[in-house]
Amino acid sequence: EAGVAQSPRYKIIEKRQSVAFWCNPISGHATLYWYQQILGQGPKLLIQFQNNGVVDDSQLPKDRFSAERLKGVDSTLKIQPAKLEDSAVYLCASSPRDVRTGELFFGEGSRLTVL
Amino acid sequence: KNEVEQSPQNLTAQEGEFITINCSYSVGISALHWLQQHPGGGIVSLFMLSSGKKKHGRLIATINIQEKHSSLHITASHPRDSAVYICAVSSGSRLTFGEGTQLTVNP
Repeated sequence: EAGVAQSPRYKIIEKRQSVAFWCNPISGHATLYWYQQILGQGPKLLIQFQNNGVVDDSQLPKDRFSAERLKGVDSTLKIQPAKLEDSAVYLCASSPRDVRTGELFFGEGSRLTVL
Repeated sequence: KNEVEQSPQNLTAQEGEFITINCSYSVGISALHWLQQHPGGGIVSLFMLSSGKKKHGRLIATINIQEKHSSLHITASHPRDSAVYICAVSSGSRLTFGEGTQLTVNP
Protein backbone atom coordinates (compact mmCIF):
# COMPACT_ATOMS: atom_id res chain seq x y z
CA GLU A 1 0.00 0.00 0.00
CA ALA A 2 1.47 3.36 -1.00
CA GLY A 3 1.90 5.84 1.84
CA VAL A 4 1.12 9.54 2.05
CA ALA A 5 3.15 11.37 -0.58
CA GLN A 6 4.36 14.93 -0.12
CA SER A 7 6.40 17.28 -2.26
CA PRO A 8 8.70 19.04 -2.30
CA ARG A 9 10.72 17.56 0.56
CA TYR A 10 12.74 20.74 0.98
CA LYS A 11 12.16 24.34 -0.03
CA ILE A 12 14.18 27.48 0.64
CA ILE A 13 12.65 30.85 -0.16
CA GLU A 14 13.09 34.46 0.82
CA LYS A 15 10.55 36.26 2.96
CA ARG A 16 7.62 37.70 1.07
CA GLN A 17 7.89 35.01 -1.60
CA SER A 18 5.22 32.37 -2.06
CA VAL A 19 5.42 28.58 -1.79
CA ALA A 20 3.08 25.65 -2.35
CA PHE A 21 3.15 22.15 -0.93
CA TRP A 22 1.36 19.15 -2.33
CA CYS A 23 -0.02 16.06 -0.59
CA ASN A 24 -1.48 12.87 -1.98
CA PRO A 25 -3.09 10.83 0.81
CA ILE A 26 -3.51 7.09 0.95
CA SER A 27 -6.15 5.98 -1.53
CA GLY A 28 -9.60 5.94 -0.01
CA HIS A 29 -8.73 7.97 3.07
CA ALA A 30 -11.51 10.43 3.73
CA THR A 31 -9.72 12.68 6.20
CA LEU A 32 -6.67 14.77 5.37
CA TYR A 33 -4.71 16.99 7.76
CA TRP A 34 -2.04 19.64 7.33
CA TYR A 35 0.19 20.24 10.36
CA GLN A 36 2.95 22.75 10.99
CA GLN A 37 5.86 21.54 13.12
CA ILE A 38 8.35 24.11 14.28
CA LEU A 39 11.70 22.73 15.42
CA GLY A 40 11.49 21.35 18.95
CA GLN A 41 7.71 21.52 19.15
CA GLY A 42 4.86 19.14 18.55
CA PRO A 43 2.81 19.41 15.36
CA LYS A 44 0.10 22.05 15.23
CA LEU A 45 -3.02 21.53 13.15
CA LEU A 46 -3.46 24.00 10.32
CA ILE A 47 -6.44 22.51 8.55
CA GLN A 48 -8.50 19.33 8.48
CA PHE A 49 -10.53 18.15 5.49
CA GLN A 50 -13.21 15.49 5.46
CA ASN A 51 -13.45 14.48 1.81
CA ASN A 52 -13.34 17.89 0.10
CA GLY A 53 -14.98 19.86 2.91
CA VAL A 54 -13.16 21.80 5.62
CA VAL A 55 -13.77 20.46 9.14
CA ASP A 56 -11.40 22.69 11.09
CA ASP A 57 -9.28 25.62 9.91
CA SER A 58 -9.41 27.65 13.11
CA GLN A 59 -5.62 27.71 13.48
CA LEU A 60 -4.86 28.51 9.85
CA PRO A 61 -3.45 32.05 9.43
CA LYS A 62 -5.87 32.86 6.65
CA ASP A 63 -4.23 36.16 5.75
CA ARG A 64 -1.30 34.24 4.26
CA PHE A 65 -2.11 30.54 4.28
CA SER A 66 -4.62 28.77 2.06
CA ALA A 67 -5.39 25.13 1.39
CA GLU A 68 -7.66 23.22 -0.87
CA ARG A 69 -8.58 19.62 -1.48
CA LEU A 70 -10.12 19.32 -4.88
CA LYS A 71 -12.27 16.26 -5.58
CA GLY A 72 -11.59 14.99 -2.07
CA VAL A 73 -8.24 13.44 -2.99
CA ASP A 74 -4.95 15.34 -3.08
CA SER A 75 -4.41 18.69 -1.45
CA THR A 76 -2.24 21.78 -1.74
CA LEU A 77 -1.14 24.17 0.98
CA LYS A 78 0.01 27.63 -0.07
CA ILE A 79 1.79 30.37 1.83
CA GLN A 80 1.80 33.86 0.36
CA PRO A 81 3.67 35.93 1.38
CA ALA A 82 5.99 33.88 3.57
CA LYS A 83 7.42 35.20 6.83
CA LEU A 84 10.53 34.13 8.71
CA GLU A 85 8.40 32.44 11.38
CA ASP A 86 6.88 30.15 8.76
CA SER A 87 10.11 28.15 8.72
CA ALA A 88 8.94 24.70 9.77
CA VAL A 89 8.15 21.22 8.56
CA TYR A 90 4.71 20.95 6.99
CA LEU A 91 3.26 17.52 7.58
CA CYS A 92 0.36 15.98 5.75
CA ALA A 93 -1.53 13.10 7.30
CA SER A 94 -4.53 11.04 6.30
CA SER A 95 -6.93 8.75 8.06
CA PRO A 96 -9.57 6.36 6.79
CA ARG A 97 -12.04 7.95 9.19
CA ASP A 98 -11.27 10.66 11.76
CA VAL A 99 -8.98 10.79 14.76
CA ARG A 100 -11.66 9.47 17.11
CA THR A 101 -11.63 6.10 15.45
CA GLY A 102 -9.02 6.07 12.72
CA GLU A 103 -5.30 5.57 12.75
CA LEU A 104 -3.17 8.37 11.35
CA PHE A 105 -0.72 7.98 8.49
CA PHE A 106 1.85 10.74 7.98
CA GLY A 107 3.89 11.80 4.99
CA GLU A 108 7.61 12.52 5.23
CA GLY A 109 6.95 16.24 5.49
CA SER A 110 8.04 19.30 3.54
CA ARG A 111 10.75 21.33 5.23
CA LEU A 112 10.47 25.05 4.56
CA THR A 113 13.24 27.53 5.28
CA VAL A 114 12.39 31.21 4.93
CA LEU A 115 15.41 33.52 4.71
CA LYS B 1 -0.68 24.99 30.75
CA ASN B 2 -0.72 22.76 27.67
CA GLU B 3 -3.62 20.39 27.22
CA VAL B 4 -1.13 17.56 26.72
CA GLU B 5 1.98 17.29 28.87
CA GLN B 6 4.73 14.76 28.33
CA SER B 7 7.54 13.74 30.63
CA PRO B 8 10.40 13.57 30.52
CA GLN B 9 11.30 15.98 27.72
CA ASN B 10 14.59 14.20 27.18
CA LEU B 11 15.62 10.69 28.15
CA THR B 12 18.94 8.91 27.73
CA ALA B 13 19.18 5.19 28.40
CA GLN B 14 21.59 2.32 27.96
CA GLU B 15 20.77 -0.48 25.59
CA GLY B 16 18.62 -3.08 27.29
CA GLU B 17 17.01 -0.75 29.82
CA PHE B 18 13.27 -0.56 30.42
CA ILE B 19 11.93 2.84 29.39
CA THR B 20 8.78 4.69 30.38
CA ILE B 21 7.43 7.87 28.81
CA ASN B 22 4.45 9.56 30.40
CA CYS B 23 1.59 11.61 28.99
CA SER B 24 -0.99 13.57 30.97
CA TYR B 25 -3.90 15.44 29.48
CA SER B 26 -6.50 17.81 30.79
CA VAL B 27 -9.42 17.43 28.39
CA GLY B 28 -11.98 14.73 27.77
CA ILE B 29 -10.77 12.51 24.98
CA SER B 30 -12.09 9.86 22.65
CA ALA B 31 -8.69 8.34 21.88
CA LEU B 32 -5.00 8.76 22.58
CA HIS B 33 -2.28 8.21 20.00
CA TRP B 34 1.39 7.41 20.53
CA LEU B 35 3.58 8.43 17.60
CA GLN B 36 7.26 7.99 16.78
CA GLN B 37 9.32 10.52 14.83
CA HIS B 38 12.85 9.78 13.63
CA PRO B 39 15.22 12.65 12.80
CA GLY B 40 14.50 14.00 9.34
CA GLY B 41 11.73 11.49 8.89
CA GLY B 42 8.03 11.38 9.00
CA ILE B 43 5.84 10.34 11.89
CA VAL B 44 4.74 6.76 12.44
CA SER B 45 1.68 5.82 14.42
CA LEU B 46 2.54 3.30 17.16
CA PHE B 47 -0.72 2.95 19.04
CA MET B 48 -4.21 4.31 19.19
CA LEU B 49 -6.04 3.46 22.38
CA SER B 50 -9.07 4.54 24.33
CA SER B 51 -8.85 2.17 27.29
CA GLY B 52 -6.67 -0.47 28.87
CA LYS B 53 -3.45 -1.63 27.35
CA LYS B 54 -1.96 -2.52 23.97
CA LYS B 55 1.23 -4.37 23.14
CA HIS B 56 3.22 -4.55 19.93
CA GLY B 57 6.57 -6.27 20.08
CA ARG B 58 8.67 -4.54 22.72
CA LEU B 59 6.29 -1.61 23.00
CA ILE B 60 3.45 -1.41 25.50
CA ALA B 61 0.97 1.44 25.85
CA THR B 62 -1.42 1.89 28.75
CA ILE B 63 -4.09 4.44 29.49
CA ASN B 64 -5.99 5.36 32.65
CA ILE B 65 -9.03 7.39 31.61
CA GLN B 66 -9.99 8.35 35.18
CA GLU B 67 -6.52 9.74 35.92
CA LYS B 68 -6.12 11.19 32.39
CA HIS B 69 -2.76 9.58 32.02
CA SER B 70 -1.02 7.28 29.57
CA SER B 71 2.36 5.61 29.51
CA LEU B 72 4.48 4.20 26.74
CA HIS B 73 6.92 1.48 27.79
CA ILE B 74 9.80 0.07 25.80
CA THR B 75 11.28 -3.19 27.03
CA ALA B 76 14.86 -4.23 26.20
CA SER B 77 15.59 -0.86 24.56
CA HIS B 78 17.83 -0.71 21.52
CA PRO B 79 19.70 2.16 19.83
CA ARG B 80 17.27 1.98 16.92
CA ASP B 81 14.53 3.05 19.36
CA SER B 82 16.18 6.48 19.50
CA ALA B 83 13.56 8.93 18.28
CA VAL B 84 11.05 11.50 19.44
CA TYR B 85 7.93 9.95 20.93
CA ILE B 86 4.81 12.07 20.73
CA CYS B 87 1.54 11.70 22.60
CA ALA B 88 -1.57 13.10 20.93
CA VAL B 89 -5.15 13.15 22.15
CA SER B 90 -8.31 13.38 20.10
CA SER B 91 -11.05 15.51 21.56
CA GLY B 92 -13.99 15.82 19.23
CA SER B 93 -12.48 15.84 15.77
CA ARG B 94 -9.36 17.72 16.85
CA LEU B 95 -6.01 16.11 17.61
CA THR B 96 -3.77 17.90 20.13
CA PHE B 97 -0.12 16.98 20.35
CA GLY B 98 2.32 16.98 23.22
CA GLU B 99 5.76 18.49 22.74
CA GLY B 100 7.39 15.09 22.45
CA THR B 101 10.02 13.14 24.37
CA GLN B 102 13.47 12.84 22.82
CA LEU B 103 14.77 9.34 23.56
CA THR B 104 18.41 8.41 23.04
CA VAL B 105 19.46 4.82 23.59
CA ASN B 106 23.21 4.32 23.78
CA PRO B 107 24.87 1.02 22.86
